[in-house]
Amino acid sequence: EVQLVESGGGLIQPGGSLRLSCAASGITVSSTYMSWVRQAPGKGLEWVSVLYRGGTTHYADSVKGRFTISRDNSKNTLYLQMNSLRAEDTAVYFCARSGDGNNFDQFDSWGQGTLVTVSS
Amino acid sequence: EIVLTQSPDFQSVAPKEKVTITCRASQNIGNSLHWYQQKPGQSPKLLIKYASQSFAGVPSRFRGSGSGTDFTLTINSLEAEDAATYYCHQSVGLPRTFGQGTKVEIK
Repeated sequence: EVQLVESGGGLIQPGGSLRLSCAASGITVSSTYMSWVRQAPGKGLEWVSVLYRGGTTHYADSVKGRFTISRDNSKNTLYLQMNSLRAEDTAVYFCARSGDGNNFDQFDSWGQGTLVTVSS
Repeated sequence: EIVLTQSPDFQSVAPKEKVTITCRASQNIGNSLHWYQQKPGQSPKLLIKYASQSFAGVPSRFRGSGSGTDFTLTINSLEAEDAATYYCHQSVGLPRTFGQGTKVEIK
């Protein structure tokens, strides 16, 4: 069974940095396609970033240059380094595995999410 | 960017009735359209992949159809546990995008 557990969220001031973690079990993060998807309070879903198993990364324009997706194979954990945070980055951040691990299509496994609040 | 537009935004339906949600893409996406259910305080759950393929464990009352630019999620014989917000999602272009969501309330 796939389990994804996010952590690292919290209250941070505008301009600050935060690193989110997504600890995986039941899958090998380095062998799959992993994304971050966020949801602002009361709003819909927004894809943020993906890390392919081959190492390629992509980002939404809204976070490009500020956020970095990475993984630690030894810890089987996905990360999202978030710098220069803005109020509009306030959201619950979910990590998700896609395409049964074989492609970047449907998001078939999701974590429970971690809340990031950017406010002074 | 591929824009997905769902309709309606909100639907109030009695138990055992049928629910139909549509998702229109701003360009042809073939069958690369997926549907999710999200209940309050929970993460989204995959219901349908590639427009019409049911995901493992999803009740048979959830059906997807469509291709190209027009897609439909149908919930046959609505149950109380189906109260949720439903999202479509496309996996053709970057960025990946979602519809704005359709909230289904049980009358």
